[in-house]
Amino acid sequence: AQTVTQSQPEMSVQEAETVTLSCTYDTSESNYYLFWYKQPPSRQMILVIRQEAYKQQNATENRFSVNFQKAAKSFSLKISDSQLGDTAMYFCASPIYNQGGKLIFGQGTELSVKP
Amino acid sequence: EAQVTQNPRYLITVTGKKLTVTCSQNMNHEYMSWYRQDPGLGLRQIYYSMNVEVTDKGDVPEGYKVSRKEKRNFPLILESPSPNQTSLYFCASSPFAGSTDTQYFGPGTRLTVL
Repeated sequence: AQTVTQSQPEMSVQEAETVTLSCTYDTSESNYYLFWYKQPPSRQMILVIRQEAYKQQNATENRFSVNFQKAAKSFSLKISDSQLGDTAMYFCASPIYNQGGKLIFGQGTELSVKP
Repeated sequence: EAQVTQNPRYLITVTGKKLTVTCSQNMNHEYMSWYRQDPGLGLRQIYYSMNVEVTDKGDVPEGYKVSRKEKRNFPLILESPSPNQTSLYFCASSPFAGSTDTQYFGPGTRLTVL
């Protein structure tokens, strides 16, 4: 069965510092995307960044970047220059193609950015 | 602006009173899906639709109905709501179903069934 695991239930970071959130996954598909979604206190699910599995280059979106280790099935999110607005729950997710593209989510990591 | 919209955003109702949560997307996406989010259980898929008139069950379809008569709309129907359907509901869409498509989420609907 396809799985996504986030082993850090909570993390905190000082404003302007860097933090890394961990995610491991297991999939039988040969080409796939991996996603990080952010859920702030408003509860909306917001796409942060995505990584296509066949690309060796790690994805980057402004202050957000990933460290994608395909062989290790690891997909961590690095947030640089953390801002108060980054305070949120972060979910790692992977879709299952043969189940209609259903997203499998990790358990989430609650990130607090402290002033 | 490309977006997924849901209405209502908040709803308090009573057991057995039929309700519909609407979902609409303006991106011409073929794939749409409903999830519910519950503490300790994460996000679970309720139903999904690959295209107009094509729908299928997700992981937790009991007590829900859906329809897809138009490409942009995918309403979630609770014909006889019960307290265990109190949850945060998300609609999502993507261009096509599959591992290479990003799913974009609506703002969520918080439903309370008394």
